[in-house]
Amino acid sequence: SQTIHQWPATLVQPVGSPLSLECTVEGTSNPNLYWYRQAAGRGLQLLFYSVGIGQISSEVPQNLSASRPQDRQFILSSKKLLLSDSGFYLCAWSARDRASFGSGTRLTVV
Amino acid sequence: GIQVEQSPPDLILQEGANSTLRCNFSDSVNNLQWFHQNPWGQLINLFYIPSGTKQNGRLSATTVATERYSLLYISSSQTTDSGVYFCAVEPTSGTYKYIFGTGTRLKVLA
Repeated sequence: SQTIHQWPATLVQPVGSPLSLECTVEGTSNPNLYWYRQAAGRGLQLLFYSVGIGQISSEVPQNLSASRPQDRQFILSSKKLLLSDSGFYLCAWSARDRASFGSGTRLTVV
Repeated sequence: GIQVEQSPPDLILQEGANSTLRCNFSDSVNNLQWFHQNPWGQLINLFYIPSGTKQNGRLSATTVATERYSLLYISSSQTTDSGVYFCAVEPTSGTYKYIFGTGTRLKVLA
């Protein structure tokens, strides 16, 4: 069965520091991969999605970037965090008939 | 882009009551899923239902793709049903991205 790993679970970072969140998927090949952000008490905003290695689509202009160095690895990065980058970040994968999420990373920028 | 709206935004029920949650989408879709986000932030896949009706225990869902809506039914609600319910759609535009609805926040009182 497919599993998705996302870490860390929580992160507190100072403004201006870099960020790297990693997500890996097991049990499937060539999945579509996604990064979402959820602000407190609100819905999920799609940040990036990828249909293959090195293929990244950005949904909104922002202070973040994404990379897919391997088929089942998706990384969310920032060179300099802003206060507004705080939120709950969720990685997801999808195949033909389902989508599933990682357990999320709660990022607080201070 | 496609708009996905859910109603009601908030719902409070007594344990044992039934409820219907609605998801409207503005364009044709390839896939539709319902998710439950628990109080710890985890998103659990409930149904993959691009069309037709499915049932799983006390939950059932119906999607009428031609009329661009989906319904999630919760019967005999329990306190563990509390959380936020999201529908997510994959538009037929071929971009492979899942767009989330605005969510319904459900609280079931004992």
